[in-house]
Amino acid sequence: DAGVIQSPRHEVTEMGQEVTLRCKPISGHNSLFWYRQTMMRGLELLIYFNNNVPIDDSGMPEDRFSAKMPNASFSTLKIQPSEPRDSAVYFCASTGGAGYEQYFGPGTRLTVT
Amino acid sequence: DQQVKQNSPSLSVQEGRISILNCDYTNSMFDYFLWYKKYPAEGPTFLISISSIKDKNEDGRFTVFLNKSAKHLSLHIVPSQPGDSAVYFCAASSSGTYKYIFGTGTRLKVLA
Repeated sequence: DAGVIQSPRHEVTEMGQEVTLRCKPISGHNSLFWYRQTMMRGLELLIYFNNNVPIDDSGMPEDRFSAKMPNASFSTLKIQPSEPRDSAVYFCASTGGAGYEQYFGPGTRLTVT
Repeated sequence: DQQVKQNSPSLSVQEGRISILNCDYTNSMFDYFLWYKKYPAEGPTFLISISSIKDKNEDGRFTVFLNKSAKHLSLHIVPSQPGDSAVYFCAASSSGTYKYIFGTGTRLKVLA
């Protein structure tokens, strides 16, 4: 299995621009998670989906952030408009069920200038 | 409010010695705990877990200890190897939920 796939691996954009991060979970996994890693807060859960339905988006920092999961094999995290404080590494993870380990993708390093 | 805390941002240990990484939590509803390891430019990978019905779980060189009364867990690596140099995250969850709360991580450096 290819594991969790994220694209792009690196994104550099200017403040105010729209940014879209993409994730393909492991085939057969029914839950998908978006995390943000920063030095100050470590790994923060932004949102997670179960069977393509958003279950908990309480970690989404602002309305500028939105996430979708149109089908079991694809999810996007969009930031519009982006700000310098959004600069971080964003991870996608998937799992086959509650209580199971989560498998992480390699992350997208976002830099907003 | 950080429900899972790793108060040591970094730790250096000599090769062959024991590494002890600590983690504290505040939510008494947490009953499942995990450790993840992260190398630079990679995603975190699962290392070891423990359920609250146990106080110890061992897997090769890695042992996790859980002290429920103190709301504290620790990861012991014996003997430490240079390849263990990475950032270690502890995470906690409650039964039946998919949501893990992660700590801020501890960077371990094993010196050859």
